[in-house]
Amino acid sequence: KAGVTQTPRYLIKTRGQQVTLSCSPISGHRSVSWYQQTPGQGLQFLFEYFSETQRNKGNFPGRFSGRQFSNSRSEMNVSTLELGDSALYLCASRESRDNYEQYFGPGTRLTVT
Amino acid sequence: AQTVTQSQPEMSVQEAETVTLSCTYDTSESNYYLFWYKQPPSRQMILVIRQEAYKQQNATENRFSVNFQKAAKSFSLKISDSQLGDTAMYFCAFWPRLKETSGSRLTFGEGTQLTVNP
Repeated sequence: KAGVTQTPRYLIKTRGQQVTLSCSPISGHRSVSWYQQTPGQGLQFLFEYFSETQRNKGNFPGRFSGRQFSNSRSEMNVSTLELGDSALYLCASRESRDNYEQYFGPGTRLTVT
Repeated sequence: AQTVTQSQPEMSVQEAETVTLSCTYDTSESNYYLFWYKQPPSRQMILVIRQEAYKQQNATENRFSVNFQKAAKSFSLKISDSQLGDTAMYFCAFWPRLKETSGSRLTFGEGTQLTVNP
């Protein structure tokens, strides 16, 4: 099976802009989670989607949002970008909510200038 | 809330030797999973090994094994016969097994940068 894919891999945006990141899970996986990784804060959970519904949300402002489509692909949106949003955004998928093994994509490196 | 602590920011080991990475966690949950992930310079997060809290037997995956001490809330990773390709950041992670409607998520430690020297 193909692994988790994320697009784009690299992105440069300007403060105030918005950005959309995409994640395609492993075929058959229905749950998609998003994480933010920064040198200062480490790995932090953003949210999880299952069956097109957000099931869990981390402690991030409302500028961070996401959605999941019927084919389990997920998008994450960040509006009104701030310099502090510069990070590696990782997407992870798992087969079901009863399966606790997550498989990660290669990440999207977002740089905000 | 759960916390995961990795007290060794950096470690190094000679090729073919054995190294142990430490991890402690704090939780009030009785049912949970523990994981070790590695993140090489490519930044791809790779699952190395997992342990279910209800299992007393320590998990093993080839050269990787864990020492799970539930009472002490300790979960260390031992890498035997270290290889150059083992050079990576290693993250310990905790996942509580909660009720379906409660939701749960992975909580990561700060990471340990392991360098394998030739």
